[in-house]
Amino acid sequence: QVHLVESGGGVVQPGKSLRLTCAASGFTFRSYGMHWVRQAPGKGLEWVAIISYDGTNEYYVDSVKGRFTVSRDNSKNTMFLQMNNLKPEDTAVYYCAKDFKFRSYFDFWGQGSLVTVSS
Amino acid sequence: DIQMSQSPSTLSASVGDRVTITCRASQSISSWLAWYQQKPGKAPKLLIYKASTLESGVPSRFSGSGSGTEFTLTISSLQPDDFGTYYCQQYSRYWTFGQGTKVEVK
Repeated sequence: QVHLVESGGGVVQPGKSLRLTCAASGFTFRSYGMHWVRQAPGKGLEWVAIISYDGTNEYYVDSVKGRFTVSRDNSKNTMFLQMNNLKPEDTAVYYCAKDFKFRSYFDFWGQGSLVTVSS
Repeated sequence: DIQMSQSPSTLSASVGDRVTITCRASQSISSWLAWYQQKPGKAPKLLIYKASTLESGVPSRFSGSGSGTEFTLTISSLQPDDFGTYYCQQYSRYWTFGQGTKVEVK
């Protein structure tokens, strides 16, 4: 069965960096687009980024462009989110999610990793 | 950008009630709409995609309808496991979620 596990969250000061990891299993990872979605405490869901199955295409929500970078290692069934110049408004639970194909809906989600940006 | 709005924001209902949630898009998204259910402290779960197609394993009491800019999620007879927050999502152009509808015990 599909399993997505996020790691790497924690407390970080404004302006610092953090890298999240999503470990995937139970499906052919290299064949699917993958997303990051975040949820601020008590708030709704916000799509953050997508990476294509082969890593050649990436798209981001405007609020993170130039600060966040999504990447993947298909040899290790792993996706990453490098977050630089973090701001307090980036505080959220970050979920990785599998795309049904590429640029479609999200059929499986991880359990999430909490990132807190605070001085 | 495509904006999504849901109504109501909160819905109080009893077990056995028929529940309807509405989702509106700021421009036409054809049928590129999904519905998710989220329980507190848990990840969202896919219920419906392409506006009306039930995901495998989702109970048949859930149904979706609509196209263009107006969509609905209906729960025909609310069960205890159905309380939680529901989100619509467009995937016509990038991805945007509605603000959520919390279904709570009346």
